[in-house]
Amino acid sequence: DAGVTQSPTHLIKTRGQQVTLRCSPKSGHDTVSWYQQALGQGPQFIFQYYEEEERQRGNFPDRFSGHQFPNYSSELNVNALLLGDSALYLCASSLGLAGGSTGELFFGEGSRLTVL
Amino acid sequence: DQQVKQNSPSLSVQEGRISILNCDYTNSMFDYFLWYKKYPAEGPTFLISISSIKDKNEDGRFTVFLNKSAKHLSLHIVPSQPGDSAVYFCAASDRGNTPLVFGKGTRLSVIA
Repeated sequence: DAGVTQSPTHLIKTRGQQVTLRCSPKSGHDTVSWYQQALGQGPQFIFQYYEEEERQRGNFPDRFSGHQFPNYSSELNVNALLLGDSALYLCASSLGLAGGSTGELFFGEGSRLTVL
Repeated sequence: DQQVKQNSPSLSVQEGRISILNCDYTNSMFDYFLWYKKYPAEGPTFLISISSIKDKNEDGRFTVFLNKSAKHLSLHIVPSQPGDSAVYFCAASDRGNTPLVFGKGTRLSVIA
């Protein structure tokens, strides 16, 4: 039973560039949430996708966008990268929207983005 | 505006002793609380949770206590083992309505 998989695991970009991160949810899960974890901080909610639509969004600018595909996998896109976007980006999956609030979140290992 | 606070960035405990990790919250709408554990190069994994209708939940060596009036919860690990060395995150939600809000984490080191 595959868990949450994310790619790439590490990447380096320069300011102003764009990045796409990918996530495949745990088998049987239909909801994907994205979190940003900066150094020394806890994960911060970016947004959540269910039925291919963004359902909730945290306090992140429009430079952060996402997509969910019919097979429930998801992408996170960040445009016009800033130095402050350097962080670990975590994808988490759950069954249904409420699963994202009740602990039934399964996290991937994350994609570590470095912006130079 | 940090709604979930873990004021101890690190904690060091001897093997076999009790580890107590603390967490405070400010949002009175939170009614579900969780602890996650994170090892380096891995994603956080769910450890234990508690609903606001309870004041204690136990799972093996792990017990979470909730004091609603003080808006405080704690995680007790007894006895502590070297494999418990990790970063522990406290998280909270308005169950079913909001995504999880995480604290900054506490790094626990269990010394053999």
